[in-house]
Amino acid sequence: AQKITQTQPGMFVQEKEAVTLDCTYDTSDPSYGLFWYKQPSSGEMIFLIYQGSYDQQNATEGRYSLNFQKARKSANLVISASQLGDSAMYFCAMREGILTGGGNKLTFGTGTQLKVEL
Amino acid sequence: DVKVTQSSRYLVKRTGEKVFLECVQDMDHENMFWYRQDPGLGLRLIYFSYDVKMKEKGDIPEGYSVSREKKERFSLILESASTNQTSMYLCASNIIGGGGTEAFFGQGTRLTVV
Repeated sequence: AQKITQTQPGMFVQEKEAVTLDCTYDTSDPSYGLFWYKQPSSGEMIFLIYQGSYDQQNATEGRYSLNFQKARKSANLVISASQLGDSAMYFCAMREGILTGGGNKLTFGTGTQLKVEL
Repeated sequence: DVKVTQSSRYLVKRTGEKVFLECVQDMDHENMFWYRQDPGLGLRLIYFSYDVKMKEKGDIPEGYSVSREKKERFSLILESASTNQTSMYLCASNIIGGGGTEAFFGQGTRLTVV
């Protein structure tokens, strides 16, 4: 079974609009972390935002926020006021066993290609 | 500036060759990972290592092996390269435990097997 599911292969958004990229996850571990990464056409992986399973509040980093719904096992990324430079591939990822130490597998979804239009 | 460095950006190898992809990090991270990235499939974990000489299989280990003799270096080995191993390979590292600490990635190696 997929651990991380991103159901939107591609999305379009108008410049200055907000956009939500979906991510659902599957784990039985009570301690886990969720990450979003951005990969522009240059290929580098850029960390955007993190949400821990025990965090009480939804994470925010500048124009990025994470809509974390634990009961639904979803961790959607919201980008406010989209810019042309936001056009990229976006990956959701999960790290399990974050409170138990040891090796921590980091699993990625299939990604969402976002295109910001004028 | 933190760095994960992969030895080659582009590589072309012949079917049946033994291929080594090298990754070095300078952040003293315990965890290191090898992924392959293919269109529509995202990043799939091949192997990861949480300590010197320790390794664990990821989701697609078949046809690959790894070596971690030193903390800073994690090598991916294709014992006998095949055309279906043509892909982008990404190395990453992060610290052990520490839930919120992100993984840092190398620039990727685009491997073509002909």
